[in-house]
Amino acid sequence: AIQLTQSPSSLSASVGDRITITCRASEGISRALAWYQQRPGKAPRLLIYDASNLEIGVPARFSGSGSGTDFTLTISSLQPEDFATYYCQQFNTYPPGYSFGQGTKLEIK
Amino acid sequence: EVRLVESGGGLVQPGGSLRLSCEASGFTFISYWMHWVRQTPGKGPEWVSRINSDGSMTTYADSVKGRFIISRDNGKNTMDLQMNSLRAEDTAVYYCVRDNDAFDIWGQGTMVAVSS
Repeated sequence: AIQLTQSPSSLSASVGDRITITCRASEGISRALAWYQQRPGKAPRLLIYDASNLEIGVPARFSGSGSGTDFTLTISSLQPEDFATYYCQQFNTYPPGYSFGQGTKLEIK
Repeated sequence: EVRLVESGGGLVQPGGSLRLSCEASGFTFISYWMHWVRQTPGKGPEWVSRINSDGSMTTYADSVKGRFIISRDNGKNTMDLQMNSLRAEDTAVYYCVRDNDAFDIWGQGTMVAVSS
């Protein structure tokens, strides 16, 4: 099974900072990668699909890039509501592969 | 409003059974594959099972294969997860999720606790 490894596991930053989270797949997955944001006690929220497509309603300060095995999520200017945990996910229908990374907790410095 | 609402969670003893339900509203349910995803506190989500749009194809994670059964009723806009032979490691929040080439809509989750 394909494993996804996120780094860092946790990150401290300030409002207005630019941050980047990386996700590495154990084998190539083309661009079949999504990013989610999860706030405490809430369900995950889709931010990015197909590696770089912004979900409707997600602010433009979020962006994704990458293909193959290496992917990044960037937040260009952190807002207070962005402090949450972020997960990457591989998304393959055939054969089924929907594994998630272990998460990156973004905290206020 | 597009919405998924889960129900049926609770406390069950090891070896017991539980049936989760998901009610969909605000979209054409029959057009979408659907999934169950679970999450243990402090850990990343774990995909559990999927069902295609007409219910003719189902797939399971190895961790639940042979114990869980996913089904749907497109006339009622509902999806179920029958969970049998439950184990302590099945304890988690279970989410109903819509497949739109990513997991774009999630329910609020229902908690399942397996303990004696």
